[in-house]
Amino acid sequence: SAVISQKPSRDICQRGTSLTIQCQVDSQVTMMFWYRQQPGQSLTLIATANQGSEATYESGFVIDKFPISRPNLTFSTLTVSNMSPEDSSIYLCSVLTSGMYEQYFGPGTRLTVT
Amino acid sequence: AQSVTQLDSQVPVFEEAPVELRCNYSSSVSVYLFWYVQYPNQGLQLLLKYLSGSTLVKGINGFEAEFNKSQTSFHLRKPSVHISDTAEYFCAVSDLDSGAGSYQLTFGKGTKLSVIP
Repeated sequence: SAVISQKPSRDICQRGTSLTIQCQVDSQVTMMFWYRQQPGQSLTLIATANQGSEATYESGFVIDKFPISRPNLTFSTLTVSNMSPEDSSIYLCSVLTSGMYEQYFGPGTRLTVT
Repeated sequence: AQSVTQLDSQVPVFEEAPVELRCNYSSSVSVYLFWYVQYPNQGLQLLLKYLSGSTLVKGINGFEAEFNKSQTSFHLRKPSVHISDTAEYFCAVSDLDSGAGSYQLTFGKGTKLSVIP
């Protein structure tokens, strides 16, 4: 398994600003992902964070809005840019451990945009 | 594209009663199946998974699930629930035929289990 931490755990932000969320894993992992969980909804994959290259975004998500970094095998950041109230969600980081076909999730960052 | 249907958005059940949370997915030849639990204000925790082999899978906290390929279902069961089982439960599927890799998870909308004392 993997232990994942996220910072911040929650934040309240003003419209038009940006927030960077950090995800730290206690061991090196092959793949890291970012999900969004809107109020009362299920999880939606935003992107796969690739180490050393640009992230792979899912349909409906773009780099300008959700820039992602992954400088090494244990750390990634997701920035939510030019926020609007529609961005109010829980953002979750997850990792895939090699050969296990299991994704482990961080505790999430609860974002409220006013 | 793969889709996952959790038929019940909310399930109230009395303590020590049995419970079944239903999950159906789109037809596919090869899938991996998962159940996750999310306690209030926490992240997701893996309850159990089906990759291959026996269709009855046992997980943590006394939960089990049965993979039924003909009905494309993966229902979650517990014979006797506790107050501490109150949480939201998510079914998720990896479609091995999608070309996106075995890691890509599609989630259902979740089922909120409320255990009544």
